[in-house]
Amino acid sequence: DTAVSQTPKYLVTQMGNDKSIKCEQNLGHDTMYWYKQDSKKFLKIMFSYNNKELIINETVPNRFSPKSPDKAHLNLHINSLELGDSAVYFCASSQGLAASYYNEQFFGPGTRLTVL
Amino acid sequence: DAKTTQPNSMESNEEEPVHLPCNHSTISGTDYIHWYRQLPSQGPEYVIHGLTSNVNNRMASLAIAEDRKSSTLILHRATLRDAAVYYCILRDAYSGAGSYQLTFGKGTKLSVIP
Repeated sequence: DTAVSQTPKYLVTQMGNDKSIKCEQNLGHDTMYWYKQDSKKFLKIMFSYNNKELIINETVPNRFSPKSPDKAHLNLHINSLELGDSAVYFCASSQGLAASYYNEQFFGPGTRLTVL
Repeated sequence: DAKTTQPNSMESNEEEPVHLPCNHSTISGTDYIHWYRQLPSQGPEYVIHGLTSNVNNRMASLAIAEDRKSSTLILHRATLRDAAVYYCILRDAYSGAGSYQLTFGKGTKLSVIP
């Protein structure tokens, strides 16, 4: 069984379009994250949600809007896509926000977004 | 979070032990040392973590220096499947929201030679 799943795996789109990436975890975790890995392979946190509430929003353009319909899902919607948005986006989850320094994070397989 | 320093790359022969070093000279007393790895075309995966004592699990061992300013991830017998980028990450138990995310550095790219 896949613990953290993302769809789609690949996404190719034109500049200016709006797209969404979905993430689901079946681990019963209460905290979910979005990370971005750019072409130089640096992984950076974008957002973190705990019990459907936003707790971290790093310096990310407001074209990016995460939405958490329930604890098991954290979707990422991107408006007006730009060339610089091309990257691999990883969803992750963990349990126990209070002990987050201790608990491991489980990552999804990633969504490779290519903006043409 | 305190900064970590790792070699950019390392090589190992298959079935030999691998010692991956990490320097964290500015570590605070409440920083936990975590290791993650990222296999090619996959998401990162947790390997091991510790605070002060050495730790063992089914994947690896973590040796932490007595002054905690460095640590070493030990893979006892490298396999081809262990070829990955290994990240050493510090997570502060008392930094509040700042401890929730993982702050990845460049990591060490491990190549395993058959």
